[in-house]
Amino acid sequence: GNSVTQMEGPVTLSEEAFLTINCTYTATGYPSLFWYVQYPGEGLQLLLKATKADDKGSNKGFEATYRKETTSFHLEKGSVQVSDSAVYFCALAPFSNTGKLIFGQGTTLQVKP
Amino acid sequence: GAGVSQSPRYKVAKRGQDVALRCDPISGHVSLFWYQQALGQGPEFLTYFQNEAQLDKSGLPSDRFFAERPEGSVSTLKIQRTQQEDSAVYLCASSLEGANTEAFFGQGTRLTVV
Repeated sequence: GNSVTQMEGPVTLSEEAFLTINCTYTATGYPSLFWYVQYPGEGLQLLLKATKADDKGSNKGFEATYRKETTSFHLEKGSVQVSDSAVYFCALAPFSNTGKLIFGQGTTLQVKP
Repeated sequence: GAGVSQSPRYKVAKRGQDVALRCDPISGHVSLFWYQQALGQGPEFLTYFQNEAQLDKSGLPSDRFFAERPEGSVSTLKIQRTQQEDSAVYLCASSLEGANTEAFFGQGTRLTVV
């Protein structure tokens, strides 16, 4: 079956620290991979995506590379800000034309000044 | 509208009561999804519509859950005879079409069954 596993949170960092949130997946076929972010009091927003192996998605200083050989899609940012504090969800869309998403459990990031 | 709108934002229901949750997708979006998010967990897929057709309802947890989108726009998720385990945030998302188009999420309806 299809599933997504994320590292446990919360992750607490100081401002300007380097961020990695690990995400691995299990899927049949060739899924698309996504990172969504949920800021306090707001709905889920797409942060970045990658649709095939070796693609790198990037947005707002965040990036993630679709690694088929390790079935991973780790989220990274070189220098986090307090405003990056949020819950981050890794997700996959199985190979289909529906857009149905399978999410990981979410990782809470807290950035302290 | 500017985004996906869900109502009500909060709903408290007594156990055994029926509830109806509404979703107004972004105008012109073909695909509509419902997800259930338990506290501290990621969203879990419930059902999917393409226009008015319900193409996938594999995630609906029981026959107490029913969703419709009769005119291919607004959708309603109905839960009959609510139970405590139904307490969760119910998220609606819409997208233009297909696996690689961005899904836009509403802020959700928080259902608490007491």
